[in-house]
Amino acid sequence: SAVISQKPSRDICQRGTSLTIQCQVDSQVTMMFWYRQQPGQSLTLIATANQGSEATYESGFVIDKFPISRPNLTFSTLTVSNMSPEDSSIYLCSVEQGGYGYTFGSGTRLTVV
Amino acid sequence: DQQVKQNSPSLSVQEGRISILNCDYTNSMFDYFLWYKKYPAEGPTFLISISSIKDKNEDGRFTVFLNKSAKHLSLHIVPSQPGDSAVYFCAASANFGNEKLTFGTGTRLTIIP
Repeated sequence: SAVISQKPSRDICQRGTSLTIQCQVDSQVTMMFWYRQQPGQSLTLIATANQGSEATYESGFVIDKFPISRPNLTFSTLTVSNMSPEDSSIYLCSVEQGGYGYTFGSGTRLTVV
Repeated sequence: DQQVKQNSPSLSVQEGRISILNCDYTNSMFDYFLWYKKYPAEGPTFLISISSIKDKNEDGRFTVFLNKSAKHLSLHIVPSQPGDSAVYFCAASANFGNEKLTFGTGTRLTIIP
């Protein structure tokens, strides 16, 4: 299965600032997914990123708040913009692996103070 | 609306015994189901999946059972080992995995030596 490198692994940020999370996959993949896991909650899909096209956002998530880039088939970034304490979560990227299900990065634990 | 529910937030099982984790879903369009295991500070790891054309899938110590009429699935781990202590998420998808994953809230399994 694919190996995903996600960074940073954690960060503590001031409210009003932005953080960009990077995801690098060791093989080419068509779709990459960005999830959020708020404390005590399940994983929630933020958006699906296809290479060469605009990301598709789920209900409740907007591009201005979570801009996504997908410059090639192995890399994507998610930016959490104008952060507030409510954005404190674990953010994960994921790729589909056919019979292996979905493979996830190790996550970025974000704390906004 | 929580379409995938794991009603037990935690479960403790003696080492060597069987662990049974349960998951219920409400969306009748779901036809592909997955279980993930998550250790602290790591991303979820794919364990096992089942499609709605089957009612059982087995992989080593892990067996997933699907009861479509009850909209219920369960993960059996036998025998349970200390390394199985983790949070387990069930997830569901429509269109045999071609639609987005919807996750449950997770069950924290603790194996008691």
